[in-house]
Amino acid sequence: QVQLVESGGGVVQPGKSLNLSCTASGFTFKDYALHWVRQAPGKGLEWVAVISFDGRRKHYLDSVEGRFSISRDNSKNTLFLQMNDLTSDDTAKYHCAKSSHEVPAADIDSWGQGTLVTVSS
Amino acid sequence: SFVLTQPPSVSVAPGQTATITCGGNNIGRESVNWYRQEPGQAPVLVVYDDSDRPAGMPERLSGSNSGNTATLTITGVEAGDEADYYCQVWDSSSDLMVFGGGTKLTVL
Repeated sequence: QVQLVESGGGVVQPGKSLNLSCTASGFTFKDYALHWVRQAPGKGLEWVAVISFDGRRKHYLDSVEGRFSISRDNSKNTLFLQMNDLTSDDTAKYHCAKSSHEVPAADIDSWGQGTLVTVSS
Repeated sequence: SFVLTQPPSVSVAPGQTATITCGGNNIGRESVNWYRQEPGQAPVLVVYDDSDRPAGMPERLSGSNSGNTATLTITGVEAGDEADYYCQVWDSSSDLMVFGGGTKLTVL
């Protein structure tokens, strides 16, 4: 079955950077768009970014545009999220999520358990 | 960008019907997806494309979408249905995904 396993979270100071990874298995990785969705403690779901199946299309939440960068390595079945200039508002659990189609607009049919990012001095 | 409005909480007795709404400007023109999230767990897709159910999802869960409101209906509510439920659309005018604020379903 589909498995999405995130890593790279941790405690980081404001203004610093962090790079998250998501290793996928159980499906043909290169055929699907992938998302990052975050959830601050006690809050709701917030979409962060999406990348198309071939990596050519990328879209971001306005508040992370220019600071975060989503990428993928289809040869290694891995999704990445490079996060720069982090602020306390970025504190959340970050979920890797698989679209049901190759395009970003479709529903999310699988989710990882998430990795926690805490931005604190 | 698109804004989705959900009631923060819905309470229902076992066996009754729970109705969770998701309001948005002309949301009926969009494809709405619904997710369930239990405490400490990852979300799970329960309804997609307004009213379709993923394989294995019980028929007790159904969705509809018209005008300015999308609705998730759970009939014969069970204790195991207690969870947070989120609606979601893709805002094609801004190329971004939008989630509603979530609704906590409590089974009395």
